[in-house]
Amino acid sequence: AQSVAQPEDQVKVAEGNPLTVKCTYSVSGNPYLFWYVQYPNRGLQFLLKYITGDNLVKGSYGFEAEFNKSQTSFHLKKPSALVSDSALYFCAVRDPNTGFQKLVFGTGTRLLVSP
Amino acid sequence: EAQVTQNPRYLITVTGKKLTVTCSQNMNHEYMSWYRQDPGLGLRQIYYSMNVEVTDKGDVPEGYKVSRKEKRNFPLILESPSPNQTSLYFCASSPIRDREKLFFGSGTQLSVL
Repeated sequence: AQSVAQPEDQVKVAEGNPLTVKCTYSVSGNPYLFWYVQYPNRGLQFLLKYITGDNLVKGSYGFEAEFNKSQTSFHLKKPSALVSDSALYFCAVRDPNTGFQKLVFGTGTRLLVSP
Repeated sequence: EAQVTQNPRYLITVTGKKLTVTCSQNMNHEYMSWYRQDPGLGLRQIYYSMNVEVTDKGDVPEGYKVSRKEKRNFPLILESPSPNQTSLYFCASSPIRDREKLFFGSGTQLSVL
């Protein structure tokens, strides 16, 4: 069964500094990987996805994620953090061999960006 | 505006009193799903629907029912709520052609006393 792990409950970074939110995955086949963001009192919003191709994927709001097959990781990154990036971030994985409906989410990482 | 609308936003009820949380999307999406969000557990899928009259269990379906009589609506029914169903619930939808790009509602915070 596929799974995804977000090893950090919380990440703190100062505004203007680069940020990384970590995610590792486990699937039997080639993974489909996703990042979602949840702002306070809102539902999750899609940020970006990796299906195949270039290992560096660009998404919304200046975020990008790097797929690393050897390390089974899909870390979310941004070169310069904004206070408004403070939110809860979820990594998700789907093993295409198990069907469309099985999108598994991580437990989330809270990003705090200080002014 | 394209959106997924859930109602109510907040709900406090007592054990055993049947309730329904409504979900409606205006994007003509085929796929709809319900999740519950609990601290330390992330999002867990309750039920999903691939299209009208097609529903199936997710990871935590016990104590819940759903129906999909129309494409736009996907209500979540708790026939006899219990305190362990106190949670934050999200409805989501997506088109089959871009299935993983889920659109989420704003959530329903349910408290069962």
